[in-house]
Amino acid sequence: EPEVTQTPSHQVTQMGQEVILRCVPISNHLYFYWYRQILGQKVEFLVSFYNNEISEKSEIFDDQFSVERPDGSNFTLKIRSTKLEDSAMYFCASTRGVTGEQFFGPGTRLTVL
Amino acid sequence: GESVGLHLPTLSVQEGDNSIINCAYSNSASDYFIWYKQESGKGPQFIIDIRSNMDKRQGQRVTVLLNKTVKHLSLQIAATQPGDSAVYFCAEREEYGNKLVFGAGTILRVKS
Repeated sequence: EPEVTQTPSHQVTQMGQEVILRCVPISNHLYFYWYRQILGQKVEFLVSFYNNEISEKSEIFDDQFSVERPDGSNFTLKIRSTKLEDSAMYFCASTRGVTGEQFFGPGTRLTVL
Repeated sequence: GESVGLHLPTLSVQEGDNSIINCAYSNSASDYFIWYKQESGKGPQFIIDIRSNMDKRQGQRVTVLLNKTVKHLSLQIAATQPGDSAVYFCAEREEYGNKLVFGAGTILRVKS
């Protein structure tokens, strides 16, 4: 069964450093998403992406965040200058159509020290 | 400083019993609702969904009920098994949107 994959599974970084989280969505999917989940809290929407453009973003997704689809398979989330409060699980998701079921990856745990 | 996570409500059930997990939503414009299961260290896993033109939908061992009048969603799990132990989230989506808005989650513990 096709699945969304994410790398790395755990990223530890120093405050102020840049991190790039990587995702490989399901191959025939066209809509891509990033969500985050702070430990013990609910999953929060960050951004959605379609046709090489951001289609929607939340208040959390400020100028420190960016997304990119550098090639036909990867979808990345970059945090330019990490803060302590960026520590969270980051989930990538994808859908085939705009209203389809969102399939989630296993997540990347980001720890900012 | 450290942020303190929310205390999630916990439902403890005996193996074989039925479980009912509830969720309240706030957005009247939401027209699609999903239940996700999240096991420790994993991403949310789709369980069942329902559109706003329905009030009940059944899957294998699971049933979702939607009451739009009071903006309430529930997930019923029949004959709960130890493998059902997880955190369960409801999520909603607006008719012309694609982002999911998740609820706070409920911990389900199944006792053998």
